[in-house]
Amino acid sequence: QITLKESGPTLVKPTQTLTLTCTFSGFSLTTNGVGVGWIRQPPGKALEWLAVIYWNDDKRYSPSLKNRLTITRDTSTTQVVLTMTNVDPIDTATYYCAHRPPWQWLENNWFDAWGQGALVTVSS
Amino acid sequence: DIVLTQSPDSLAVSLGERATINCKSSQSVFYSPFNKDYVAWYQQKPGQPPKLLIYWASTRESGVPDRFSGSGSGTDFTLTISSLQAEDVAVYYCQQYFSLPVTFGQGTKVEIK
Repeated sequence: QITLKESGPTLVKPTQTLTLTCTFSGFSLTTNGVGVGWIRQPPGKALEWLAVIYWNDDKRYSPSLKNRLTITRDTSTTQVVLTMTNVDPIDTATYYCAHRPPWQWLENNWFDAWGQGALVTVSS
Repeated sequence: DIVLTQSPDSLAVSLGERATINCKSSQSVFYSPFNKDYVAWYQQKPGQPPKLLIYWASTRESGVPDRFSGSGSGTDFTLTISSLQAEDVAVYYCQQYFSLPVTFGQGTKVEIK
């Protein structure tokens, strides 16, 4: 059974850096084709994809946020970390990490298991 | 970026009746070498994360009731709930994974009439 869980601060001040950790189980991020993605959802709004990291340590980012995002993995543990720099109140959202099922081509990403999400509020 | 537009934004359906949600893509998400449409559908209940229902436009995820079905190709897709149950009250999202960035529709809220 695949499970994912997000953790991080619930409140961040504007201009600070947000660091979120996704701890997962039930799969290996070294398995060919697998990935872990981050998706966020502002309160009452739609889903927005942020980034994904793959089994081969390749990474892809949302073009609109690319300059502010970094996604990394810790292969010695079962964790993926997303950092977002220079946060703004508009970044207030629930942040989800999710499992990308095995697929060879990096451009194609759908998500078959999601964490419960972490609500992050950006406010002074 | 590929833009997905869902319709309607919300709908109310009587228990046991059919619910139909549409998703229109700004460009084709059909890849002919694989004969596949790169569309997924998710269900999100209040206070919960999204749950994958359908991928490859019409393949039902394991464990998803067969009253949920996906159809369409190219730029026009449909999620159908054949007989609405009380537990189907949720917001439904389509997603394209034909190309990056991944994009989602704005969501369709399904309620009981």
